[in-house]
Amino acid sequence: AQSVAQPEDQVNVAEGNPLTVKCTYSVSGNPYLFWYVQYPNRGLQFLLKYITGDNLVKGSYGFEAEFNKSQTSFHLKKPSALVSDSALYFCAVRDIGSSASKIIFGSGTRLSIRP
Amino acid sequence: DAGVIQSPRHEVTEMGQEVTLRCKPISGHDYLFWYRQTMMRGLELLIYFNNNVPIDDSGMPEDRFSAKMPNASFSTLKIQPSEPRDSAVYFCASSLIAGGRSGANVLTFGAGSRLTVL
Repeated sequence: AQSVAQPEDQVNVAEGNPLTVKCTYSVSGNPYLFWYVQYPNRGLQFLLKYITGDNLVKGSYGFEAEFNKSQTSFHLKKPSALVSDSALYFCAVRDIGSSASKIIFGSGTRLSIRP
Repeated sequence: DAGVIQSPRHEVTEMGQEVTLRCKPISGHDYLFWYRQTMMRGLELLIYFNNNVPIDDSGMPEDRFSAKMPNASFSTLKIQPSEPRDSAVYFCASSLIAGGRSGANVLTFGAGSRLTVL
């Protein structure tokens, strides 16, 4: 069965500093990996995805993520945080090694950027 | 496209009442997912459909929950009878899963239906 873990409930970063939000996954085959962001009282919005190819994926709002197969990780990063980046971030995985197409989400990490 | 449309946005009901949540997916999307979000359990997958056919309902918590997709443009999630522990935000999301297209596998979420059962 596929699963995804976000080990940090909250990450606090000063504006202008780099940020990292961690994600690890478990699948039986190869993964498709995703990051989504949720602002208060809104649905989740897509940030970026890894399907195949380059392990470093660039997405919306200056975010990027690196796929590391040996560590089964897909950490979200940004070189310089903005206060407006404060939100709830979800990592998600689809196991393409199975016949299913379910997409499972992690528990979420609340990112707080202080001015 | 107006995106994924969910209704109602807010529902307050009393224990024992029937609740029906509705979703209109993006036209042309072949998959539809229902998720439930709570503080305690995070974002849980309840059920998903492919071309209107339920594929996996293993996340549906109890027989009190049922979901249908009578056509490509409409799905419902029904709770009967409702209980206070069903209070949550319910999200519908749709996607093209087939590969080869740039938007494939990306879920588009609705704004959610916030359910409160008293």
